[in-house]
Amino acid sequence: EAQVTQNPRYLITVTGKKLTVTCSQNMNHEYMSWYRQDPGLGLRQIYYSMNVEVTDKGDVPEGYKVSRKEKRNFPLILESPSPNQTSLYFCASSHRGSSYEQYFGPGTRLTVT
Amino acid sequence: AQKITQTQPGMFVQEKEAVTLDCTYDTSDPSYGLFWYKQPSSGEMIFLIYQGSYDQQNATEGRYSLNFQKARKSANLVISASQLGDSAMYFCAMRGGSNYKLTFGKGTLLTVNP
Repeated sequence: EAQVTQNPRYLITVTGKKLTVTCSQNMNHEYMSWYRQDPGLGLRQIYYSMNVEVTDKGDVPEGYKVSRKEKRNFPLILESPSPNQTSLYFCASSHRGSSYEQYFGPGTRLTVT
Repeated sequence: AQKITQTQPGMFVQEKEAVTLDCTYDTSDPSYGLFWYKQPSSGEMIFLIYQGSYDQQNATEGRYSLNFQKARKSANLVISASQLGDSAMYFCAMRGGSNYKLTFGKGTLLTVNP
């Protein structure tokens, strides 16, 4: 089954404790992206990757890191989480190009206290 | 820069009636794609329909159709014969530019009444 998986689905953590949210896709997509969703703001892009070892900042990259060592995986790293990073996070993947839909993972609900 | 505007924070519709969700966009890219996604209360993002900037005909997918008016930069979603399961948040999005970024509107919460 074609899918994007994310783990964990739910996470409650404390300020400053490093965490990683994993994302994996099995569709051989070149393009992967992370979004955060906050009430009233829609989805905003954090980072994206056009291919292996090619990553770039989106609209709200502060406080986040990513890596793309393999085509299928695109982890999101929060080195020192803060309460303002409490949000719903989505990973997405697609082929490169404006005509391709992005496939979304199920989301990770993160709470930072 | 790309921008998507959804001016209806919430909409109500009676079951079995049609409803139109508004979306306007702004971009300087000549080539772009327009998408609608549905987000039910369970949280997942579900792709509904796609319209390419060069497509001459409006896209349709089952009960969903996209009313694309390029000159007005609008891409409204029409849901025919609404069902209770259509109650959800709906996001209009545009993809374009050299980085193929997907830009979202703030969404419209649709409630279908029995």
